[in-house]
Amino acid sequence: DAGITQSPRYKITETGRQVTLMCHQTWSHSYMFWYRQDLGHGLRLIYYSAAADITDKGEVPDGYVVSRSKTENFPLTLESATRSQTSVYFCASSDTGWGYTFGSGTRLTVV
Amino acid sequence: SQQGEEDPQALSIQEGENATMNCSYKTSINNLQWYRQNSGRGLVHLILIRSNEREKHSGRLRVTLDTSKKSSSLLITASRAADTASYFCAIPSQGGSEKLVFGKGTKLTVNP
Repeated sequence: DAGITQSPRYKITETGRQVTLMCHQTWSHSYMFWYRQDLGHGLRLIYYSAAADITDKGEVPDGYVVSRSKTENFPLTLESATRSQTSVYFCASSDTGWGYTFGSGTRLTVV
Repeated sequence: SQQGEEDPQALSIQEGENATMNCSYKTSINNLQWYRQNSGRGLVHLILIRSNEREKHSGRLRVTLDTSKKSSSLLITASRAADTASYFCAIPSQGGSEKLVFGKGTKLTVNP
């Protein structure tokens, strides 16, 4: 299906474990983004990418790693999960001058 | 840092009434966007209005932009229960117009 797909939809993991959230888009949009949404903070940008092999930090990058070897994929890795990373994570894509298309989100719980 | 602030934080109206939400920001922008988020879902892009535009329509949605006052409004006319959602304004962050900064949103409840 066309669109932007995030997986998994829900994830529970233990403190200290590495977790990877997947994001795949089918439009060949240049830009891709990872946001986290928390009560009281709204959406905050973690990392973004302007093209394959080009990534940059957003507002809250600590504890996260991204890669973008192919235009359509933009995985987000939590290197050593902490409870403060419990959140809903949204991936989005866009082309220059247009609005974002968001995925359905991954609800991550770190116990 | 640059961020849009929505007002009010919550709004409750009856079906058929109009709903107006406002967004204020602090620095110059080249566009402002509005998004909707239904509970438990991803955000959906509604409208993008550019700095040289004053008003834009999409179906029952009307967005205005006043760059002199650094504010925007989203009007939903003849609201329906299905319009119940959170609405966010988003503006480009400093240093990169493709990076958006989102406000904390207005939670709209439309009662049948």
